[in-house]
Amino acid sequence: QVQLQESGPGLVKPSQTLSLTCTVSGDSVRTASYFWNWIRHRPGQGLEWIGYIYHSGSAYYNASLKSRVNISVDTSKNLFSLKVYSVTAADTAVYFCARMRPLQPLETWGQGVLVTVSS
Amino acid sequence: DIQLTQSPSFLSASVGDRVTITCRASQGISTYLAWYQQTAGKAPKVLISAASTLQSGVPPRFSGSGSGTEFTLTISSLQPEDFATYYCQQLNSYPNFGQGTKLEI
Repeated sequence: QVQLQESGPGLVKPSQTLSLTCTVSGDSVRTASYFWNWIRHRPGQGLEWIGYIYHSGSAYYNASLKSRVNISVDTSKNLFSLKVYSVTAADTAVYFCARMRPLQPLETWGQGVLVTVSS
Repeated sequence: DIQLTQSPSFLSASVGDRVTITCRASQGISTYLAWYQQTAGKAPKVLISAASTLQSGVPPRFSGSGSGTEFTLTISSLQPEDFATYYCQQLNSYPNFGQGTKLEI
């Protein structure tokens, strides 16, 4: 049974880079059948899809975040990562990683990690 | 980009009520739409895929319908555990979400 687990600092200072990792167990990020996603839930807001990455390393992003976000994959460690650059308080959120097949829902999620942007 | 508009944003109801949530897409997405339920502090759970396919383990009081640009999620008889926030998500292109509907007692 596949499991995803987010990890990373819970506190980031404004203007710095938010870095999170999603470790995958029970499946391989090399699997061609899946997209590996990042989603966030800001306080008082709805869910926001950040982007996804294929096993090949090709990544696609939400247009509203594209200039500040990077998603990468490390097949040797079976994980994928998120970086959000130049963060502000508006980037404070619970960040989730999740898996989906093309044209299918996000069927497997991590538990989420709260990241607070504050000095 | 395809935009999704959910209505209503907030919905007050009682146990046993029938409720319907609507999701409208800014352009046609066939049936590439999913519905999720999220309770506080937890990851969302998929209820329905392909606009109307109930996921395994989801109670049959949940149902979905629609195609093209207009979709609905219906809960036929609300149970206490159904009070949560519901999101639609389109899967035709980059998988963005609607803004959510908070269902309150």
